[in-house]
Amino acid sequence: GAVVSQHPSRVICKSGTSVKIECRSLDFQATTMFWYRQFPKQSLMLMATSNEGSKATYEQGVEKDKFLINHASLTLSTLTVTSAHPEDSSFYICSADFRVLGYNEQFFGPGTRLTVL
Amino acid sequence: AQTVTQSQPEMSVQEAETVTLSCTYDTSESNYYLFWYKQPPSRQMILVIRQEAYKQQNATENRFSVNFQKAAKSFSLKISDSQLGDTAMYFCAFSNNDMRFGAGTRLTVKP
Repeated sequence: GAVVSQHPSRVICKSGTSVKIECRSLDFQATTMFWYRQFPKQSLMLMATSNEGSKATYEQGVEKDKFLINHASLTLSTLTVTSAHPEDSSFYICSADFRVLGYNEQFFGPGTRLTVL
Repeated sequence: AQTVTQSQPEMSVQEAETVTLSCTYDTSESNYYLFWYKQPPSRQMILVIRQEAYKQQNATENRFSVNFQKAAKSFSLKISDSQLGDTAMYFCAFSNNDMRFGAGTRLTVKP
C-alpha cells in the first residue's frame, strides 16, 4: 500500500512552453503533498508544500508564479512549470503524507525528469 | 531552521563487511523524526529506517541500525553484511512538519 505515482516520468519541452507534472496517491488520501527538486548528484530540495483545498506554501527562493501548484483533490497534486527555461531542467519528485503507526510518513513518487531545450 | 549535514560524500565497503554513514543535524525542536533514505540509480526514494526523537532505543531494521545520540544531534547508519544491492545514494533526513535532507553519501559495495 501507500503508492505514489507521477506522470510523466520524462518530458522534453522547448524553452518558453509550460509543462504540467501530476502526482497521485493511488491507494490513500493525502491532505498534504510535497514537491522537491533534485539536480544531478545533489540532494532533494523542498520547493513547496501542497495542502488540499488551499494555497501551496513555497520555500524561500522558489518563484510561486513560475512553479504553479494545485492540490484540487485528496489524491492529486499538480506542478506546472510555466515559461520553462533550460535552467529549469531537473528531476522533480513529489511525496504524499500518510499517517502510519501514529506519525505522518512521506511516500515518494518515482520522479519526473524535465529537460528544457 | 533545521540543517542536516552528511560529511562523507562517498564511501565504499567490501561485500559482507560493515559500514557506518554519518549524519548530524541542528534543530531547536524537541520532538521530531529522523530518517535514512536510499536512492538507487532508478532515483526512487526508499525508506531504510526511521527514528523518533523521543525514543532512546536505537531503531533497527534487519541489517540496518542507527546510533542516535540526541544530545550530540548525531544519527549514524550502520549497514551490516553489506550486499551489492546496497550500492546507492543514502540521504539522512530530519522531519518536524516538512522534511529536510542532507547532501547525501554515495555508497559503493565492492565484490
